[in-house]
Amino acid sequence: GQQLNQSPQSMFIQEGEDVSMNCTSSSIFNTWLWYKQDPGEGPVLLIALYKAGELTSNGRLTAQFGITRKDSFLNISASIPSDVGIYFCAGQRGDTGNQFYFGTGTSLTVIP
Amino acid sequence: NAGVTQTPKFQVLKTGQSMTLQCAQDMNHNSMYWYRQDPGMGLRLIYYSASEGTTDKGEVPNGYNVSRLNKREFSLRLESAAPSQTSVYFCASLGWWGPYEQYFGPGTRLTVT
Repeated sequence: GQQLNQSPQSMFIQEGEDVSMNCTSSSIFNTWLWYKQDPGEGPVLLIALYKAGELTSNGRLTAQFGITRKDSFLNISASIPSDVGIYFCAGQRGDTGNQFYFGTGTSLTVIP
Repeated sequence: NAGVTQTPKFQVLKTGQSMTLQCAQDMNHNSMYWYRQDPGMGLRLIYYSASEGTTDKGEVPNGYNVSRLNKREFSLRLESAAPSQTSVYFCASLGWWGPYEQYFGPGTRLTVT
């Protein structure tokens, strides 16, 4: 099946640091979504991207739709302890209808 | 507005038993999905329903069946549970209009012994 490569797999950072993670695909995507999942909960949508080059912010989070349409990036500025969790990217291709493909996640630990 | 709801939250089955996981959404979404999440594997699509009356296989459909009961409800059935089906199951829904965004339920944690 479709593979989304998400990196890094895990991150350990100090509170206040900035965080960057990315997702790459072998296919062109029409939509990129970024989710955060807390332990024992379902993924919560953070940011949605619809156009190549698009840059969208949600508070301290900023995501970008790569211009090749094969990648996307998520940045978190000035991390705080509640940023801890697993971050997933998801992409939707034009030739597979409303199916979304997910990355394997980036586990973020913020050290106070 | 509860979003996507799932029942039960936890379930333990013995090998060979059957059960149905229930999912409902109140966002008037057309598409609904069932995923399973295993450690290190991310989310994998089991089945989805693009619209009421249609269902399609995803990446890992073997051992599962689904029913799109109406626009609101999409159930996942395990006819004869196996230990390999121990996982966390998530239901999700997607609207075709406005923001093209997929929303998830809280999950069902299933253990098959």
